[in-house]
Amino acid sequence: KQEVTQIPAALSVPEGENLVLNCSFTDSAIYNLQWFRQDPGKGLTSLLLIQSSQREQTSGRLNASLDKSSGRSTLYIAASQPGDSATYLCAVGQNTPLVFGKGTRLSVIA
Amino acid sequence: GAVVSQHPSWVICKSGTSVKIECRSLDFQATTMFWYRQFPKQSLMLMATSNEGSKATYEQGVEKDKFLINHASLTLSTLTVTSAHPEDSSFYICSCGRTYEQYFGPGTRLTVT
Repeated sequence: KQEVTQIPAALSVPEGENLVLNCSFTDSAIYNLQWFRQDPGKGLTSLLLIQSSQREQTSGRLNASLDKSSGRSTLYIAASQPGDSATYLCAVGQNTPLVFGKGTRLSVIA
Repeated sequence: GAVVSQHPSWVICKSGTSVKIECRSLDFQATTMFWYRQFPKQSLMLMATSNEGSKATYEQGVEKDKFLINHASLTLSTLTVTSAHPEDSSFYICSCGRTYEQYFGPGTRLTVT
């Protein structure tokens, strides 16, 4: 059974810092991996989708990498802003539906 | 990406009553929809997979007689929480599936008093 772990559970950084969020999964036979953002009491916003054949995806200040063999993904956020404060969820797809990690709660302090 | 809506966005009900939550795909036909539940500070846990025109597939530990799912059309799936109890209070999120990608609704906050 696939298990997804995200470290750290919470992170607080000053504005402007670059940061890395980590995601690991136990079964490397995945189709894809997605990173989502969730604001308090809200639904999910898809940030980046990496197919199993890809190693990374970039969108603006966000860069996500995927290493299937080691069962790891990272989400890199450059020049963090207070508006980046949210919970970031990692989810892996081996088929549908997705299996989610518990998320990393990010606070960016102005 | 695809647009998915949920209604209501939040609901408060008394213990023992039933609550229906709607999930609609607004701009594409969804043969498959998924229902997730999220408790505070926890991950999203899949409850069931809803297939248009057939019975839903429930995950282990989810009571199918308590959480009734109907997927009567390609744009609408409903989740009915029957005889709700305070422990059913949670954030319920639906998603519509495309190959290798899902689009999520904004969620419904259910509070059972």
